[in-house]
Amino acid sequence: GAVVSQHPSRVICKSGTSVKIECRSLDFQATTMFWYRQFPKQSLMLMATSNEGSKATYEQGVEKDKFLINHASLTLSTLTVTSAHPEDSSFYICSARVPSAGMEETQYFGPGTRLLVL
Amino acid sequence: GQNIDQPTEMTATEGAIVQINCTYQTSGFNGLFWYQQHAGEAPTFLSYNVLDGLEEKGRFSSFLSRSKGYSYLLLKELQMKDSASYLCAVLDSNYQLIWGAGTKLIIKP
Repeated sequence: GAVVSQHPSRVICKSGTSVKIECRSLDFQATTMFWYRQFPKQSLMLMATSNEGSKATYEQGVEKDKFLINHASLTLSTLTVTSAHPEDSSFYICSARVPSAGMEETQYFGPGTRLLVL
Repeated sequence: GQNIDQPTEMTATEGAIVQINCTYQTSGFNGLFWYQQHAGEAPTFLSYNVLDGLEEKGRFSSFLSRSKGYSYLLLKELQMKDSASYLCAVLDSNYQLIWGAGTKLIIKP
C-alpha cells in the first residue's frame, strides 16, 4: 500500500513556541493532503485540506493564521502550529489520497505526531 | 445535518465473529470507508464500498446498503490484535469525508 510518513512522531515544546510537522508521500505524488487533529477518545477532526501549489482550505473554526499549511511539492505538506498553547496539545495526523483506479478517494494516513505543549 | 452512527464499544471473544454496524445520513454519497485505529496510532485503511453488496477481504468483510444508509464491518476468526477502534466514514456529495466517532472493539481470550 501507499506510504505516508510524518515527522516528528512526538514533540514537546514550551508554550508560545512554534512547531512544524512534515507530511511526506514516499512512493506516490499527492496533489491533495489532509490534516486532522484527534483528541483522546474522540474521532478525527479535519482541520484543513492542503492542495499543492495553492492555499489550503480550512474547516470552520480552525484558525488559518495559527495553523499554517504549506504544500510546496507533490510529496510534502507541512503544518506549523504557531505560538502553541497547552490546548493545542493533541494528536495531529496527515493523510493523502492515492490515485488508483476506482479508489481515488481512499486516504492513507501518516503515523501521526503527538504534540504536547507545556 | 450529517450524521454517522456506530456503537461506542463492543466486546467479543477470540476466535469468534463480530459485526460492527454503521448507519449514516449525509448530503449525498460517494462511498463508505472502514478504518482500523489501534490506540495511539493513526488509522489504517480496511475497506471501501460504493456499490451495494458485500466486499470480502480475508478475515474482514464490509457490506453496504445505500437505500438503507447502512453498512457493517464483519470480522471473522477474531484475534487479540484485532482489539482496536473501527471508524466508519462516508464521502459526501462534496467529496468531504464525514467520520463516525468509532467503535472500540475489545477482544477477550
